Amino acid sequence: GESVGLHLPTLSVQEGDNSIINCAYSNSASDYFIWYKQESGKGPQFIIDIRSNMDKRQGQRVTVLLNKTVKHLSLQIAATQPGDSAVYFCAENVNAGGTSYGKLTFGQGTILTVHP
Amino acid sequence: GAGVSQSPSNKVTEKGKDVELRCDPISGHTALYWYRQRLGQGLEFLIYFQGNSAPDKSGLPSDRFSAERTGESVSTLTIQRTQQEDSAVYLCASSLTSNQPQHFGDGTRLSIL
Repeated sequence: GESVGLHLPTLSVQEGDNSIINCAYSNSASDYFIWYKQESGKGPQFIIDIRSNMDKRQGQRVTVLLNKTVKHLSLQIAATQPGDSAVYFCAENVNAGGTSYGKLTFGQGTILTVHP
Repeated sequence: GAGVSQSPSNKVTEKGKDVELRCDPISGHTALYWYRQRLGQGLEFLIYFQGNSAPDKSGLPSDRFSAERTGESVSTLTIQRTQQEDSAVYLCASSLTSNQPQHFGDGTRLSIL
């Protein structure tokens, strides 16, 4: 079946660097995408989302880019800090038969490690 | 403010026993979801509630799994005759409406001996 996948399972950066986490999706019917951060022993924490009618959305220190042509999603974290170290998941919502609801399909995750 | 609350946080039980996991969503959230996360993996969708009805149960792995929700409040996920492969973290999420961001609890870590 179709699923969301990640190019890189791990990413190590130095404190202060910018980080980019990539995600590929294969379902052209997906109309909503979301990034989560998960720390050890915790549930996923919402970071930022984007709908398919947009190609860029910015939050505090984070930017999500959506390229529907190549079915690619990325999360950019500016001035990465040690507290950003976690597993990052992208997830997609598949618009099933015109009825959109929040069932999310998750990728496997990318481990981000930020070195002081 | 109060987030999604799940209990128990940890559950260890013997193979063959039944377990019941509880989720208290954020007040006012109409949509509620259950996911399962195996060690080192992403989340797998189990079931979605809109109010107290479940329009999508497609992720439930077998008929040993069931869930119910009381109105727009608490939900319970029940696993009967547990098997070792049921060991995982079970996560609950809620959202204001079905097309709004989902907010997760910290999950119940279930270990089947």
